[in-house]
Amino acid sequence: DSLLTQSPATLSLSPGERATLSCRVSQSVSRYFAWYQQKRGQTPRLLIYDASTRATGIPARFSGSGSGTDFTLTISSLEPEDFAVYYCLQRTQWSRTFGQGTKVEIK
Amino acid sequence: EVQLLESGGGLVQPGGSLRLSCAASGFTFRSYVMSWVRQAPGQGLEWVSTIGTSSDTYYADSVKGRFTISRDDSKNTLFLQMVNLRADDTATYYCAKDNDQIYSDFWGQGALVTVSS
Repeated sequence: DSLLTQSPATLSLSPGERATLSCRVSQSVSRYFAWYQQKRGQTPRLLIYDASTRATGIPARFSGSGSGTDFTLTISSLEPEDFAVYYCLQRTQWSRTFGQGTKVEIK
Repeated sequence: EVQLLESGGGLVQPGGSLRLSCAASGFTFRSYVMSWVRQAPGQGLEWVSTIGTSSDTYYADSVKGRFTISRDDSKNTLFLQMVNLRADDTATYYCAKDNDQIYSDFWGQGALVTVSS
């Protein structure tokens, strides 16, 4: 199975700033890639799927890009409600693998 | 409104068994791929198992041979039978519904499973 490595582990930013989160896959086995947001005490929320498609109801400030082994989630201008943990996910026909998470915290 | 309600969690001794259930409503259950994902206390997300609409099943290596996912489409219910539980199975177990693109897009509130003597 692929290993997904997210960086940085923690991102300290202020509201209004741009956030760039990275996820590197150890081996490119699938083009099926997603990003989730999880706020403290809440269930995960699907943000991006198929690497760059926003899920239903997700604001345009969230965007996903990448292919192969390198993927990026960008939040163009952080809102107070965006401070959370973000997970990347790769799925194949037979399995799913999450990254370890990036915490976006208020600076 | 989509609703997923897990039940069956609790405290179990190492080597014991538990069966989780997830009652689904608000969507055509039989038409969707369903999954279990767990999260150990203070840790990240870990995929556990997925079942397709034809009851094809897939498991993480960490649970293969010990956990069994199943579904009863007549009762709109997803199950996870867990045997030979270990301390590192301690986690909140989430039931999740996939969207049409086969990504989990709705999650239940979770069932806490604690494996301890």
